[in-house]
Amino acid sequence: TQLLEQSPQFLSIQEGENLTVYCNSSSVFSSLQWYRQEPGEGPVLLVTVVTGGEVKKLKRLTFQFGDARKDSSLHITAAQPGDTGLYLCAGRRSKLIFGTGTRLQVFP
Amino acid sequence: DAGVTQSPTHLIKTRGQHVTLRCSPISGHKSVSWYQQVLGQGPQFIFQYYEKEERGRGNFPDRFSARQFPNYSSELNVNALLLGDSALYLCASSNGEMNTEAFFGQGTRLTVV
Repeated sequence: TQLLEQSPQFLSIQEGENLTVYCNSSSVFSSLQWYRQEPGEGPVLLVTVVTGGEVKKLKRLTFQFGDARKDSSLHITAAQPGDTGLYLCAGRRSKLIFGTGTRLQVFP
Repeated sequence: DAGVTQSPTHLIKTRGQHVTLRCSPISGHKSVSWYQQVLGQGPQFIFQYYEKEERGRGNFPDRFSARQFPNYSSELNVNALLLGDSALYLCASSNGEMNTEAFFGQGTRLTVV
């Protein structure tokens, strides 16, 4: 059973477009983290959100934690080829539970 | 400061063999967690160790075992390898036991043939 479902699973867009990735669960998490992973590398932490309703911005990336702390979204404005990678959400309970992942490809 | 280091980076083993993967956490971090990532999927939790004690175990068979040493480095052992054990094995280090940020190594790519 996958506790965290991400959508879409794959996303292929042109440079300059905006996009949103969703991370949904029926379970409550004490915190939620977003990672980006490139081929052959480990995931790299982008952000941690802790409070329900919290919004954090990291340059062109905006992260939101749902009010009930069950879901989260990642919005990228004006995507660039360097944003290409596998985006993973991960919810913290007694352990870190990863989502199914969203593979993003940004074409020049 | 060095990040999380894992060795080896790549490994090819034959079915039935055993393998030992190693991880050195970030200096000062006392918690190490192991994850298995099959191609195209998100990482799946295998073990967490904190202060040399097992603090959590995922849904993996007894062929998988791990330990943490006094210097907080860790080993993951897998016995009687199966083809399905082929995956990227990730180690993550954290400062605390729970509710703290996890930092990952580059992983060990295990191929079982």
